[in-house]
Amino acid sequence: QKEVEQNSGPLSVPEGAIASLNCTYSDRGSQSFFWYRQYSGKSPELIMFIYSNGDKEDGRFTAQLNKASQYVSLLIRDSQPSDSATYLCAVTTDGDFNKFYFGSGTKLNVKP
Amino acid sequence: NAGVTQTPKFQVLKTGQSMTLQCAQDMNHNSMYWYRQDPGMGLRLIYYSASEGTTDKGEVPNGYNVSRLNKREFSLRLESAAPSQTSVYFCASSKDRGYEQYFGPGTRLTVT
Repeated sequence: QKEVEQNSGPLSVPEGAIASLNCTYSDRGSQSFFWYRQYSGKSPELIMFIYSNGDKEDGRFTAQLNKASQYVSLLIRDSQPSDSATYLCAVTTDGDFNKFYFGSGTKLNVKP
Repeated sequence: NAGVTQTPKFQVLKTGQSMTLQCAQDMNHNSMYWYRQDPGMGLRLIYYSASEGTTDKGEVPNGYNVSRLNKREFSLRLESAAPSQTSVYFCASSKDRGYEQYFGPGTRLTVT
C-alpha cells in the first residue's frame, strides 16, 4: 500500500471554476501535510502546508485537512490557465519528520 | 538569494561510469535531501541529512552515496551508473526536520 494516494487525472476544469484536488494517506500518525505545484519539466514549488484539522486559506488556495478520515485536499478558486500543472501531495510520517512521502500527483488542466 | 542550486542540469553517462551531483543552498537551512523522480512514481527520497555532519538512507538508497560537505552543500554520488538510475534528480532543503522543503531546479540524468 502506498503511503500517499492521489488520482493521477487529468482533472479538467473551465477557467473561473473551482478545482478540487484530493489526497489520502495511510499513516494515521502523520503530522505535516504539504501541497506542491510542478509545471512540466520544472521542479516542485511549495503552495501550502497544513498541520491542524480544518481549513487554511492563502489567496485563491485553500487546504483542508481531516485527520480522522486521513484525507487532505486543495481547492483552487477562480482557476486560471496558468494553474495547469501537476499537483503533488506530501506527508511526513509519524516518528520520522525527515521523511516526506509524496503522492504521484494529479494533473490539472484549466481550459480557457 | 539563489535558493537551492544544482549542477549539472543535464548529464549522459555510460553504464559503469561514475559522477557526482552537486547541491548548495543559501537559506541557512539545517536539513537537505536528495530525491529522484520517475514517470508515474512520484518523488522518492534517496538520502537525507537532518543536520550538518549526519546523513541517513531514504526509501531508495541502493547505488548511491552522499556527502554533507558543510551546512550549505550536499552531494550525491553514483559510483557505477546503471540504466535504472536514469531519472530526474532533485535536491531540496528545509529549515529543520518536518518543515516545508524547497527544491532545486533538478538534474536530468540519462544512463545508456
